[in-house]
Amino acid sequence: KQEVTQIPAALSVPEGENLVLNCSFTDSAIYNLQWFRQDPGKGLTSLLLIQSSQREQTSGRLNASLDKSSGRSTLYIAASQPGDSATYLCAVIDDYKLSFGAGTTVTVRA
Amino acid sequence: EAGVTQSPTHLIKTRGQQATLRCSPISGHTSVYWYQQALGLGLQFLLWYDEGEERNRGNFPPRFSGRQFPNYSSELNVNALELEDSALYLCASSFGSDGYGYTFGSGTRLTVV
Repeated sequence: KQEVTQIPAALSVPEGENLVLNCSFTDSAIYNLQWFRQDPGKGLTSLLLIQSSQREQTSGRLNASLDKSSGRSTLYIAASQPGDSATYLCAVIDDYKLSFGAGTTVTVRA
Repeated sequence: EAGVTQSPTHLIKTRGQQATLRCSPISGHTSVYWYQQALGLGLQFLLWYDEGEERNRGNFPPRFSGRQFPNYSSELNVNALELEDSALYLCASSFGSDGYGYTFGSGTRLTVV
């Protein structure tokens, strides 16, 4: 059974600082990995999808890396802004479904 | 292009009643997934439908059921509601099941009183 862990559980940084969010998974036989953002009480917004053959993906200030062999992914958010405050969820795609981590709740202080 | 749409946004039911939640996937997506997000428990996989068939289900009792219609929309039914069924129910769609990426709706907040 796939286990996904996200560290840290919560993070508070001043505006402008770079964010580093970590995700680890136990079974490296995954198809892909997807990072999501969730605002309180809302649905999930997809941030980045990393195919299993890729090592990283970038979109604007966001960059995500994937190391399947070690079962790790890292999401980097450059020059954080108060609007980046949310919960960030890592999900691995294996076979037929997503397995989610518990998330990292980020607060960016103005 | 319209995203994944879910209805209703909020639903309040009494314990023992039935609840029906609806989901319309992105055009062209054939797979629909249902997830439950209860307070403090994270996202739990409920059901997967593809091409009108239930392909797999998570560790939930049979009173959680659903179906997928010919137009690929789906509904989730929860019978004999219990207080602990109160949660945000999220629907996602994808093109097939091989990890093309998933798009989620905004969810239905179910409250059982």
